Amino acid sequence: NAGVTQTPKFQVLKTGQSMTLQCAQDMNHNSMYWYRQDPGMGLRLIYYSASEGTTDKGEVPNGYNVSRLNKREFSLRLESAAPSQTSVYFCASRWSGGETQYFGPGTRLLVL
Amino acid sequence: GESVGLHLPTLSVQEGDNSIINCAYSNSASDYFIWYKQESGKGPQFIIDIRSNMDKRQGQRVTVLLNKTVKHLSLQIAATQPGDSAVYFCAEQYNQGGKLIFGQGTELSVKP
Repeated sequence: NAGVTQTPKFQVLKTGQSMTLQCAQDMNHNSMYWYRQDPGMGLRLIYYSASEGTTDKGEVPNGYNVSRLNKREFSLRLESAAPSQTSVYFCASRWSGGETQYFGPGTRLLVL
Repeated sequence: GESVGLHLPTLSVQEGDNSIINCAYSNSASDYFIWYKQESGKGPQFIIDIRSNMDKRQGQRVTVLLNKTVKHLSLQIAATQPGDSAVYFCAEQYNQGGKLIFGQGTELSVKP
């Protein structure tokens, strides 16, 4: 099992550009999450998907959209990147019968 | 609003000593708590969790203590090793759906 995988590992964007961060899990988990992590702060929830076909806003959803493509994949899209979106983005997944979230290795995004 | 905070942002210990990392939470309705370890450049890794109906839970070299009276959580690491050097996050959950609220993190540095 690869667990939770994320692509790309690192990305540089110019202000106004768009991009999609990809996340996939092979643990047959129902729930998936997108977080951002900024220096000196804990992880903050952007969006989550409790099950295939559903998505909900988290704490900091502005400027982002998500797609739960299927049970395995959950993507995060920045339509018009801003310097304030410079951060490290983590995807996580959770089995519906448990509480523990398992995290991917992260995508480091720099918006110039 | 709800928040999870850490008393000590940095902790330096000697190899072989025991480490104690503390965490305060503000939502008395939280029913699940979890500790993650994050090494530089990696995603958070599950260490140990505890439900609100327990006061203590032990793992391999780690123990989590929960004091609901004062809304305090601690992580104890026995015989700390250099490989334990990382940032440790506590998180709380207070509703279904697995939305976790993370603290800022404590950086543990182990001196050989």
